[in-house]
Amino acid sequence: NAGVMQNPRHLVRRRGQEARLRCSPMKGHSHVYWYRQLPEEGLKFMVYLQKENIIDESGMPKERFSAEFPKEGPSILRIQQVVRGDSAAYFCASSPRTGDGYTFGSGTRLTVV
Amino acid sequence: DQQVKQNSPSLSVQEGRISILNCDYTNSMFDYFLWYKKYPAEGPTFLISISSIKDKNEDGRFTVFLNKSAKHLSLHIVPSQPGDSAVYFCAASAETGANNLFFGTGTRLTVIP
Repeated sequence: NAGVMQNPRHLVRRRGQEARLRCSPMKGHSHVYWYRQLPEEGLKFMVYLQKENIIDESGMPKERFSAEFPKEGPSILRIQQVVRGDSAAYFCASSPRTGDGYTFGSGTRLTVV
Repeated sequence: DQQVKQNSPSLSVQEGRISILNCDYTNSMFDYFLWYKKYPAEGPTFLISISSIKDKNEDGRFTVFLNKSAKHLSLHIVPSQPGDSAVYFCAASAETGANNLFFGTGTRLTVIP
């Protein structure tokens, strides 16, 4: 029973490129959450999605960032035109239903050069 | 605007002794608190939680204490073991199991054999 799977584990992008981060939730989990950890900071909530719906995106930067969780396939966090300040660890978590504690993946470390 | 604060970035403790990790919060609406443990290159894993209706919750070697009037909680680990060496994050939400957790910046615990 695989846990929350995130890929890639490490991603290097040049400024201006696009970054795509993938998250496959645990089997049976239909709720996905994305968190970002900047250097020397705690994790900060970005977005909460259920299948085909964005439920809460209050933590998402207004520009360049988007997220989706399609009916089939993993959840995708997309960052367009990346800048150095986007360099961080991005963690995905999933839960079987709202209100349950959730399980984190191992994260994707994005480095913008 | 850091609503959950862990003011000690690091802590070293001798094996067998007690580790005490502290956490303060500012939002009086928080009513559910969690501790996560994180090893390098891995995602956070849930450790223990406490609801605001309680002031103590114990699970094996781990005990969390909550002082609502002081807006303070602490995690006690006793006896400490070398395998406990990790970064510990305190997190809080405004309703039990809410989708948006607010994390502290973490405390790196080192247990010295």
